[in-house]
Amino acid sequence: DAKTTQPPSMDCAEGRAANLPCNHSTISGNEYVYWYRQIHSQGPQYIIHGLKNNETNEMASLIITEDRKSSTLILPHATLRDTAVYYCIVNYGQNFVFGPGTRLSVLP
Amino acid sequence: AAGVIQSPRHLIKEKRETATLKCYPIPRHDTVYWYQQGPGQDPQFLISFYEKMQSDKGSIPDRFSAQQFSDYHSELNMSSLELGDSALYFCASSGGHGRSTEAFFGQGTRLTVV
Repeated sequence: DAKTTQPPSMDCAEGRAANLPCNHSTISGNEYVYWYRQIHSQGPQYIIHGLKNNETNEMASLIITEDRKSSTLILPHATLRDTAVYYCIVNYGQNFVFGPGTRLSVLP
Repeated sequence: AAGVIQSPRHLIKEKRETATLKCYPIPRHDTVYWYQQGPGQDPQFLISFYEKMQSDKGSIPDRFSAQQFSDYHSELNMSSLELGDSALYFCASSGGHGRSTEAFFGQGTRLTVV
């Protein structure tokens, strides 16, 4: 099963774009990249997922490199409520394996 | 929209007691996952069910068991509770078995063992 590597923490100014990177160099061809976030002990919240094409929804955009070895989650206009731990997960089967994630702090 | 419902939200038990946590998935979702999150830790996968059959197993202690019922709700049974079992327990559900289906999480049950 592929593993992911994320920076432990990042800061972002309110109103600016937050770009959260994730490396998944051992991802296999049919594995998807998922992003979740967890705000202070609430249940993890699904954000977005993709296979190889870039994806966008009302919450965020997901940019996956052509070789699929890394991806970036983009929150276009970060707000204070986006402060959370963000998890990049490569799904290899029936369950989602959470790694350390990135603690994003949005600063006023 | 309906979400994953977990009950109870909070539970306090003494050591060596038993506890049962319940999870009601999103309607028409057939897959349920259980996770444990200790203080300051990331969620750890325990077990999952698809169509009422166990589909995957993670780091679930032998003292714990779980099942998914005919109405797709699931219960996590925990016996001989230990202080270290104090944690948040999350349930998630998804609408299909496979690699392209996102899972949605409930708000969790906070178990405190004293």
